[in-house]
Amino acid sequence: SQQGEEDPQALSIQEGENATMNCSYKTSINNLQWYRQNSGRGLVHLILIRSNEREKHSGRLRVTLDTSKKSSSLLITASRAADTASYFCATGGIQGAQKLVFGQGTRLTINP
Amino acid sequence: EPEVTQTPSHQVTQMGQEVILRCVPISNHLYFYWYRQILGQKVEFLVSFYNNEISEKSEIFDDQFSVERPDGSNFTLKIRSTKLEDSAMYFCASGTSASTGELFFGEGSRLTVL
Repeated sequence: SQQGEEDPQALSIQEGENATMNCSYKTSINNLQWYRQNSGRGLVHLILIRSNEREKHSGRLRVTLDTSKKSSSLLITASRAADTASYFCATGGIQGAQKLVFGQGTRLTINP
Repeated sequence: EPEVTQTPSHQVTQMGQEVILRCVPISNHLYFYWYRQILGQKVEFLVSFYNNEISEKSEIFDDQFSVERPDGSNFTLKIRSTKLEDSAMYFCASGTSASTGELFFGEGSRLTVL
């Protein structure tokens, strides 16, 4: 089954605006993580939220998790041109399942 | 800052040839992974490795694939007989937690099969 589907697939905003990306998943999770990927580069971990947490902040990032709806959102405030990248959510399974399952990603473009 | 390093950054090979992709995970990490990303698509899990053995593998990771940690520092992915559809970016990752905490990814090895 699909896991970690992001919405929208692409988002283009002006510098300084806030960017919100959503992720839905289907199975029980231990945690949900967001990663960033610059074009042609590796994935960089941004933030992890555990299944018993509802909201987490890190700098300009705010992540929410609603386990009843099996969804998460990533908010980037006061966006900068350097935030242009693809953003992926990834779900970590229940205890004993080590892999992360990634979604299709949201391609974010920040226009100067 | 410690990082995961991968070599080669790009490899071009003929269909049917063997390919070995190499990774040096972060030194105190215990869990190692290979993922792949076909151009424009999602990042797909291939295999996880812990305590010198495979702990989980996906359907993609068939008999043509193998992994090895030959010397305590390198972690390799071998594709025995490459197919056109193996063309992708292959990412190595390592982590410290069994319950899938943060993973640290390398910059990837781009494999092009002709």
